[in-house]
Amino acid sequence: SQQGEEDPQALSIQEGENATMNCSYKTSINNLQWYRQNSGRGLVHLILIRSNEREKHSGRLRVTLDTSKKSSSLLITASRAADTASYFCATPKSGGSYIPTFGRGTSLIVHP
Amino acid sequence: GAVVSQHPSWVICKSGTSVKIECRSLDFQATTMFWYRQFPKQSLMLMATSNEGSKATYEQGVEKDKFLINHASLTLSTLTVTSAHPEDSSFYICSARDDSEDRGLYSNQPQHFGDGTRLSIL
Repeated sequence: SQQGEEDPQALSIQEGENATMNCSYKTSINNLQWYRQNSGRGLVHLILIRSNEREKHSGRLRVTLDTSKKSSSLLITASRAADTASYFCATPKSGGSYIPTFGRGTSLIVHP
Repeated sequence: GAVVSQHPSWVICKSGTSVKIECRSLDFQATTMFWYRQFPKQSLMLMATSNEGSKATYEQGVEKDKFLINHASLTLSTLTVTSAHPEDSSFYICSARDDSEDRGLYSNQPQHFGDGTRLSIL
């Protein structure tokens, strides 16, 4: 069953601003992943953070993981119009499965 | 990087037609592939896990006879929507696990996605 839920559902910002998206999940995980989806396309893997990590960086992306609160955040710094996309967190199906499941995503619009 | 090719990218057909969608891993081997369905502004709903050389594992509520999955080689999985009806119209996406990145059966690893197939049944 679906575990992760992203928040907010939609986010609209100006170019240069930072964008923060959150993901909450229900059961214990061994890692969490963030993906990006451009309109009408497949998903692109952005970053994977393991349960023993608290923060991870990749370029302008910063991901945090708080296992005590069962939540993760994705921060995009100095956003660009090209960052406009939907962002999903992926967590294993409940029950210790390796199969990734996705929330509804956050739709990010970055205005030039 | 790992590339997954999904074909066709879009298809329009009449009600009652069967439609086959292919998912190919181009530069890696994938024992396991996943098929998802996505409605507008919605999440990806996992339909089934496709395993090379064995039967697919379907999620609850997904009709096996409606959505036929075949994973005959380490680089190709196909999803056939049989006798499609308008309610089957959706965006279908496949993903694959790279066998060389496998950290074990119960370890999550990055999924490599195809670009999806938009299916419209008239």
